Amino acid sequence: EVQLVESGGGLVKPGGSLKLSCAASGFTFSSYAMSWVRQSPEKRLEWVAEISSGGSYTYYPDTVTGRFTISRDNAKNTLYLEMSSLRSEDTAMYYCARDQSTMITSFAYWGQGTLVTVSA
Amino acid sequence: DVVVTQTPLSLPVSFGDQVSISCRSSQSLANSYGNTYLSWYLHKPGQSPQLLIYGISNRFSGVPDRFSGSGSGTDFTLKISTIKPEDLGMYYCLQGTHQPRTFGGGTKLEIK
Repeated sequence: EVQLVESGGGLVKPGGSLKLSCAASGFTFSSYAMSWVRQSPEKRLEWVAEISSGGSYTYYPDTVTGRFTISRDNAKNTLYLEMSSLRSEDTAMYYCARDQSTMITSFAYWGQGTLVTVSA
Repeated sequence: DVVVTQTPLSLPVSFGDQVSISCRSSQSLANSYGNTYLSWYLHKPGQSPQLLIYGISNRFSGVPDRFSGSGSGTDFTLKISTIKPEDLGMYYCLQGTHQPRTFGGGTKLEIK
């Protein structure tokens, strides 16, 4: 069974940093591209990062480019999201997600999420 | 970026109703190989989003056949027939063809 378990969320001040983790199990982690998706308090869903199976390629929307870094450790079956220069609009539930196939064109499997609150 | 416009924002329903939700993209979601990556999700409070439909019209494992997807190019529809209590929540479409991947704004399916 595919399992994705996020951790690392919390309360952080504007301008601060936070690193999220996603522990994967039940599948060959190193074979799959992975993503982070967030849901804002206004219930808007936004894809925020994607990384290829080997980690060589990463993708971001303009809203987080230069501030967020996605990475992975295939030996530890863990996905990461390093967030810096955090803003109030980054407040959201953050989910790691995977597709059915090794590439991502949809999100078939989701973790339970970890909450990030950016507030003074 | 591809803008995905989802309508309606809110959809009051009665159990047993049939409803449709629409997603329209600002450019075609068909790639150069002829594949179209449009998917639909249901997000219930306190849970993670769940994939319902991928590739326009393919039901994900375990999804009841009262959910169906259709469309092409820039116009897509999710139909739900015979609505049940467990169908209530927020519905989203996602275009996975172009980078960055973009979601529709969501439709809240709620009881009248």
